[in-house]
Amino acid sequence: GAVVSQHPSRVICKSGTSVKIECRSLDFQATTMFWYRQFPKQSLMLMATSNEGSKATYEQGVEKDKFLINHASLTLSTLTVTSAHPEDSSFYICSAIGTERGYTFGSGTRLTVV
Amino acid sequence: LAKTTQPISMDSYEGQEVNITCSHNNIATNDYITWYQQFPSQGPRFIIQGYKTKVTNEVASLFIPADRKSSTLSLPRVSLSDTAVYYCLVGDMRGYQKVTFGIGTKLQVIP
Repeated sequence: GAVVSQHPSRVICKSGTSVKIECRSLDFQATTMFWYRQFPKQSLMLMATSNEGSKATYEQGVEKDKFLINHASLTLSTLTVTSAHPEDSSFYICSAIGTERGYTFGSGTRLTVV
Repeated sequence: LAKTTQPISMDSYEGQEVNITCSHNNIATNDYITWYQQFPSQGPRFIIQGYKTKVTNEVASLFIPADRKSSTLSLPRVSLSDTAVYYCLVGDMRGYQKVTFGIGTKLQVIP
């Protein structure tokens, strides 16, 4: 149990375009999901907290207009990187809370902006 | 949010027991201690969670002293496939509290 599916696993896009990443809790309802970004050889950095039916809460320094988060249902949160640039290239990971264990993480999305 | 401190890296030979200690001096009453394993280009994977004393599952043991200001993840008889980064997280996860990651411990298992 407690599976979080994240798609796509990797994506390459041109500079200036937008990319959407999906995070789904498959076997539990997740009222709260989190989005992280991880650069090579670094730890996960929390970007935002996504709550179902309400606006996301962004961490300091994260541009909310660039990283659009939508949590329209109890099982789906999406992160859209708008007008992506090479410096946005990173590994993006979502996690969901909804079980006794606390956090369950998705498998991550490798974004490369060329 | 409780801050955690772990060794940056550890090396171990195959078949040995590995103990990774995490310090969390300002742990709160409602906080649980959870350990995750992360391989390159993958999301963190749950290993074990505890509140106090000792917890054991099929892959690891977690030792938590009475004051709960530290915890030790014990991996019995490691193999090459255990080479990964291990993170200690402390927080009220069941209360939907956000948790931040420390730097983690890079475990390198040597043949």
